[in-house]
Amino acid sequence: KNEVEQSPQNLTAQEGEFITINCSYSVGISALHWLQQHPGGGIVSLFMLSSGKKKHGRLIATINIQEKHSSLHITASHPRDSAVYICAVRMDSNYQLIWGAGTKLIIKP
Amino acid sequence: EAGVAQSPRYKIIEKRQSVAFWCNPISGHATLYWYQQILGQGPKLLIQFQNNGVVDDSQLPKDRFSAERLKGVDSTLKIQPAKLEDSAVYLCASSWSLNQPQHFGDGTRLSIL
Repeated sequence: KNEVEQSPQNLTAQEGEFITINCSYSVGISALHWLQQHPGGGIVSLFMLSSGKKKHGRLIATINIQEKHSSLHITASHPRDSAVYICAVRMDSNYQLIWGAGTKLIIKP
Repeated sequence: EAGVAQSPRYKIIEKRQSVAFWCNPISGHATLYWYQQILGQGPKLLIQFQNNGVVDDSQLPKDRFSAERLKGVDSTLKIQPAKLEDSAVYLCASSWSLNQPQHFGDGTRLSIL
C-alpha cells in the first residue's frame, strides 16, 4: 500500500463544474503540499498545509489531520485548470517527502 | 525574484556516458531537491539537501548517481554511467526550509541513445 494515495487518478469534467481531488496518507506528517503540473512540465506549488483550510482564488485546500486526509477543490473550473495535481507529504519522523501519483484533470469547454 | 535556474535544458548522450546537471536555487533558499520524472509518471524525489547536508537520499541509485551541494548554494547531479532507463526530465526545486513551498526549475530533459 502506498503511503500517499490520490483519487481519482483521472478526472474529466465540463467547464464550470466544481472539482474535488482527494489525498489520503498513512504516515505522521508535518505538512502536506498540493502542486500543479501542466503539460510541458512546469510544476507550481499551490498550497502547503499543516492544518485547516487555505484558499487562493478559485482553489481551496483542506486537511483533516485526525483522518489523515486532504482535499483540493476547484470552483467554477476552466479549461486552463487542466493539469496533473499532485499531493505530497512531509513525514514528521525523518523529513522524507513522499509524493502521490497525481490526478490528471481535464476540463472540457 | 529570480527563479530556480537549471542547465542544460536538453542533453542527449549515449548509454554508458557520463552527464552532469547544474541547479542554482533561489537566493536564500536552504532546501534543495532533485527529482527524476519519467515520461507519463509523477516526479520521484532523488535527493534533498538542507544547506550542504543531505536530508534524504533514500531513492538515489548510488551506484551511478551522485549529487553535491558543497557550499550550500548551487548543486550538481551526476550520472555515471548512464543507462537507457535514465531517460527522463531532471527537476530541481528549492524552498526556504523543509516545510515551505517548493519552487521548481524548468528541468533538464535527458535522452539516452
